[in-house]
Amino acid sequence: EPEVTQTPSHQVTQMGQEVILRCVPISNHLYFYWYRQILGQKVEFLVSFYNNEISEKSEIFDDQFSVERPDGSNFTLKIRSTKLEDSAMYFCASSRTGVDTEAFFGQGTRLTVV
Amino acid sequence: GESVGLHLPTLSVQEGDNSIINCAYSNSASDYFIWYKQESGKGPQFIIDIRSNMDKRQGQRVTVLLNKTVKHLSLQIAATQPGDSAVYFCAEIYDTGFQKLVFGTGTRLLVSP
Repeated sequence: EPEVTQTPSHQVTQMGQEVILRCVPISNHLYFYWYRQILGQKVEFLVSFYNNEISEKSEIFDDQFSVERPDGSNFTLKIRSTKLEDSAMYFCASSRTGVDTEAFFGQGTRLTVV
Repeated sequence: GESVGLHLPTLSVQEGDNSIINCAYSNSASDYFIWYKQESGKGPQFIIDIRSNMDKRQGQRVTVLLNKTVKHLSLQIAATQPGDSAVYFCAEIYDTGFQKLVFGTGTRLLVSP
């Protein structure tokens, strides 16, 4: 069964450092998303991406965040200067169409900022 | 955002019982709803979905009921098994043209053998 894969599974970084979280969406999917989940809280939408551009972003997704699809398979989330409060699980998801279809989630990257 | 980590609603059932997990959604304009299951340390896993023009949908051992009048969604799991133990989230989608899931706060289901 096709799946969304994320690397690394756990990333520890010092405050102020840049991190890049990587995702390989399902191959025939066209819509890509990043969500985050602070420990014990609900999953929060960060950004959606289609046709090589951001289609929607939340208020969480400020100038410190950026997304990129550098090639035909990877989808990355970059945090330029990490803060302690960026510590969370980051989930990548992809869907075949933009609406009315399920999004498939990866296993997540646990980001710990120290 | 609101912190619900230590106050996650918990439903404890015995193996073989039927479980009902409830969810209140926020936007009357939402037109698509999904239930996700999240096991410890894993990403949300799709269980079942329902469109706003339906009030009931059945899957394998699961049924979702939608009451648009009171903006309420429920997930019924028949013959609950220990492997069903997880946190269950409902998610709604606003018609923004692109899929943006808005997750509810979640309910922890604990199934005892």
